[in-house]
Amino acid sequence: DTGVSQNPRHKITKRGQNVTFRCDPISEHNRLYWYRQTLGQGPEFLTYFQNEAQLEKSRLLSDRFSAERPKGSFSTLEIQRTEQGDSAMYLCASSPGLEDTQYFGPGTRLTVL
Amino acid sequence: AQKVTQAQTEISVVEKEDVTLDCVYETRDTTYYLFWYKQPPSGELVFLIRRNSFDEQNEISGRYSWNFQKSTSSFNFTITASQVVDSAVYFCALRGKLSFGAGTTVTVRA
Repeated sequence: DTGVSQNPRHKITKRGQNVTFRCDPISEHNRLYWYRQTLGQGPEFLTYFQNEAQLEKSRLLSDRFSAERPKGSFSTLEIQRTEQGDSAMYLCASSPGLEDTQYFGPGTRLTVL
Repeated sequence: AQKVTQAQTEISVVEKEDVTLDCVYETRDTTYYLFWYKQPPSGELVFLIRRNSFDEQNEISGRYSWNFQKSTSSFNFTITASQVVDSAVYFCALRGKLSFGAGTTVTVRA
């Protein structure tokens, strides 16, 4: 059983550009979560899906952020018009259910110049 | 609203010493789950333990043990006989949409 995978692992972009990250959860996990982690802080919840339905979005998720899970399998997180404040590690996790253990991927480190 | 507080920012020990990490949480839920995760220098969060709120029995798993006290909203975690490979940032987290503490950096010196 493979774990959660994320691509790319690193992304460097210029301010104003759009970026898209991909997360492949553990197969058969219904729930998929996105978190953001800045240096020296714990991860902060952004949004989560149950199958293809996006059930909740944090107020941290501005209008420039959008996430999809079109077929209930992999998910994408897109950031439009990136700002330097978007520089962070973006983590994806999956679990069978809401209260079940979440298993994390290696993250995508975004640097906005 | 829920909140997790890890008051210790850094702990440094010599190999084979025990390390106890403190975690205090706030929640209005009557049932909930608590977790400890480890984040080594490689960056990937690794699940360690999970405890539900209606089971206050403290357990030991290998070199890990935990002390859950609902009355004081604390969920402390102990590494016995620490090893250099235990050096990492440790996060306490609370229930479904995980609320993480700020983490405690543990450095184990040989």
